[in-house]
Amino acid sequence: QVTLRESGPVLVKPTQTLTLTCTFSGFSLSTSGMCVSWIRQPPGKALEWLARIDWDDGKYYSTSLETRLTISKDTSKNQVVLTMTNMDPVDTATYYCARAGIPAAGYDYWGQGTLVTVSS
Amino acid sequence: DIQMTQSPSSLPASVGDRVTITCRASESIRSYLNWYQQKPGKAPKLLIYAASSLQSGVPSRFSGSGSGTDFTLTISSLQPEDFATYYCQQSYSTPRTFGQGTMVEI
Repeated sequence: QVTLRESGPVLVKPTQTLTLTCTFSGFSLSTSGMCVSWIRQPPGKALEWLARIDWDDGKYYSTSLETRLTISKDTSKNQVVLTMTNMDPVDTATYYCARAGIPAAGYDYWGQGTLVTVSS
Repeated sequence: DIQMTQSPSSLPASVGDRVTITCRASESIRSYLNWYQQKPGKAPKLLIYAASSLQSGVPSRFSGSGSGTDFTLTISSLQPEDFATYYCQQSYSTPRTFGQGTMVEI
């Protein structure tokens, strides 16, 4: 059974760096084709894709945020980590991690999401 | 980046209605189009992948069609549990992009 769970701070101050961890089970990120992405959703707004890491350590980022984002994986721990630098109140959102079985497929499993608020 | 545009933004409907939501890509994405349903406070749920393939466990009243730049999601007979927001997403190129959402409301 596939599960994903996001963890990290619920509150960060402006200019700080956010570090989120996606801990998953039921699949391996070393399996060919597997990938995990981060997607966020500001309150009342649409979904925004942030980043993706593939089984072969390929990494891809949102064009508008790529200078602030870093995605990495620890296959032995079944974790994917996203860091976002220079946080701003507009980055307040629910952050989701999600899995796709192949890069071109839809996201078939999602975490429950974690709400991150940026405020001083 | 490929822009995804959904219409309408909101859709008043009643139980039993046939509902159609459209999604247009700013360039051809072949059939690399996915549809999600999201209810308040919940993560999105994959309904349709590759434009027209029904995800396992999704009721057959949901269907998808289209290729290239124009796609549709159809709910053949709206059920009470279908009142939600629906998003399209392209998986043709990186960065992935989502539509702005369509809220199906009573």
